[in-house]
Amino acid sequence: KAGVTQTPRYLIKTRGQQVTLSCSPISGHRSVSWYQQTPGQGLQFLFEYFSETQRNKGNFPGRFSGRQFSNSRSEMNVSTLELGDSALYLCASSSDSYNEQFFGPGTRLTVL
Amino acid sequence: GQNIDQPTEMTATEGAIVQINCTYQTSGFNGLFWYQQHAGEAPTFLSYNVLDGLEEKGRFSSFLSRSKGYSYLLLKELQMKDSASYLCAFLSGGYNKLIFGAGTRLAVHP
Repeated sequence: KAGVTQTPRYLIKTRGQQVTLSCSPISGHRSVSWYQQTPGQGLQFLFEYFSETQRNKGNFPGRFSGRQFSNSRSEMNVSTLELGDSALYLCASSSDSYNEQFFGPGTRLTVL
Repeated sequence: GQNIDQPTEMTATEGAIVQINCTYQTSGFNGLFWYQQHAGEAPTFLSYNVLDGLEEKGRFSSFLSRSKGYSYLLLKELQMKDSASYLCAFLSGGYNKLIFGAGTRLAVHP
């Protein structure tokens, strides 16, 4: 079984721009969660989607948004980028609730 | 509120046993996970405890006490490749929201 894939792997943007990151879950998994990882804050939950519905959201500003498509692929968008948005963005897929989450390799976003 | 704590760094010797502790506070708890993360890589799943007690998986074991808000990860017969960060996380409330600790950086020395 192929693992979780994320594209792009690396991204450099400037302040004020917007960015879209993509995540393809493991085949058959319907839950996709997004996390932000920074050296200072560690891994923080952004949001979770299941069957195209956002079921849970973390404490991030509205500039962070996401969606899920009918094939379970998910995208997250960050608008009006700030320097502090520089981080590793990880997505994780799961077959259902309360199950093991498998992480993708992440997208390293650098905001200049 | 929600809180999760684990030691920042630990060192151990190859072949030895190390125990990484994790304490948490939350009103909604649906299980505790341990992940391993090597530098520059994604976290990989190690264990998931829902009920109290010890779960053993090869060289790795994980323990949970829900009444004490306490878990530990036990690594036996340490190998150099076990040098990594170990992340403790609990499932908060419903669905798949994981609250992570800051991680414990383990260095294994020959």
